[in-house]
Amino acid sequence: AQTVTQSQPEMSVQEAETVTLSCTYDTSESDYYLFWYKQPPSRQMILVIRQEAYKQQNATENRFSVNFQKAAKSFSLKISDSQLGDAAMYFCAYRSVDFGNEKLTFGTGTRLTIIP
Amino acid sequence: EPEVTQTPSHQVTQMGQEVILRCVPISNHLYFYWYRQILGQKVEFLVSFYNNEISEKSEIFDDQFSVERPDGSNFTLKIRSTKLEDSAMYFCASSPPAFMRGTDTQYFGPGTRLTVL
Repeated sequence: AQTVTQSQPEMSVQEAETVTLSCTYDTSESDYYLFWYKQPPSRQMILVIRQEAYKQQNATENRFSVNFQKAAKSFSLKISDSQLGDAAMYFCAYRSVDFGNEKLTFGTGTRLTIIP
Repeated sequence: EPEVTQTPSHQVTQMGQEVILRCVPISNHLYFYWYRQILGQKVEFLVSFYNNEISEKSEIFDDQFSVERPDGSNFTLKIRSTKLEDSAMYFCASSPPAFMRGTDTQYFGPGTRLTVL
């Protein structure tokens, strides 16, 4: 079974600065998907970014980018120019490519605080 | 932009009562999911549903739980006899058909907070 580990329960960053959230995972599969979801105080789960494991290029969405290291099974999220609205819990998630095994496996989350 | 919706936003029930949580997935999506999140904990998979049947379920999804797609738009989660430990946030999610790009991505609803007293 796959596992996802987020070793930083809490992080803080000064507004406008850059912060990196860590995620590692364990799998025996060679192809899969990885995601970062944001959960603000409203508790809605919002997709931030996705990465396909067979693509070597790191995904980027505006101020959000990932550092995907497949051999190391690492998938960190970098937030540039942090804004107050970025304050939230961030969850890393893994999904197999196999049909019938579409579930997301989540990490325990990192709570990000933005310091004005 | 299409969204997954869930009702109610908050449900309070007595232990032993039945509850039905409702979800309206994005209209052209074919894969549906339920997850739960106990307060302060990570999000856990409950069940996935495709082509009118369960495609995968977790060990949490025991005989007290059931899912149904009663019509072309709704997707429901029923808990037959609620326990105190069922108190959690329940999220519905959906993803597009296999022929569409991004079928791997699950889009979540805002959640239903279930409180069992």
